[in-house]
Amino acid sequence: EAEVAQSPRYKITEKSQAVAFWCDPISGHATLYWYRQILGQGPELLVQFQDESVVDDSQLPKDRFSAERLKGVDSTLKIQPAELGDSAMYLCASSWRGRNTEAFFGQGTRLTVV
Amino acid sequence: AQSVTQLGSHVSVSEGALVLLRCNYSSSVPPYLFWYVQYPNQGLQLLLKYTTGATLVKGINGFEAEFKKSETSFHLTKPSAHMSDAAEYFCAVRAQSGTASKLTFGTGTRLQVTL
Repeated sequence: EAEVAQSPRYKITEKSQAVAFWCDPISGHATLYWYRQILGQGPELLVQFQDESVVDDSQLPKDRFSAERLKGVDSTLKIQPAELGDSAMYLCASSWRGRNTEAFFGQGTRLTVV
Repeated sequence: AQSVTQLGSHVSVSEGALVLLRCNYSSSVPPYLFWYVQYPNQGLQLLLKYTTGATLVKGINGFEAEFKKSETSFHLTKPSAHMSDAAEYFCAVRAQSGTASKLTFGTGTRLQVTL
């Protein structure tokens, strides 16, 4: 069964350091999402790609976060510099085109900033 | 803009009892609605979805949900809870927002199942 792959699963970093997360969506999925989930809360969309283009990054803190999907396949989310408040689960998801399609999620990356 | 409200951050039921998790949505256009389940330190797994057609939707693990437009609700039910159902449940709505078809999640309901 096809899955969304994310790495690493866990990451501990010191504040002010740079950190990066990688996501490989299900083959053929045009839409890719990065969500942030703070403990005890629902996922919050950070950025959404359609192929290689960003279609929504309204909640992405652009002073420190960046995301790319250069060839319209895998994607990288970067934080520089990391802050204590960035500690959260970072979830990647992908879906087929279309409004009636569900998103398939990866296992997530648990980030702890110390 | 679309949104979902999940009533009750924690729900506790006895094993074998009815499970009812509430979700109300707000959307200016016909919504597509989803329920996901999340186990500790895992990603989200789709339970069921409503797009068009039949308003009673059946999903995996014995769960079902009914879309009620007049009540703007999409409550999740299961006739008989099992210990393995203990998890976090999220309701989500997808609707067009600008150029993006945005998927917005509720704050979640933690289901506890007791003996």
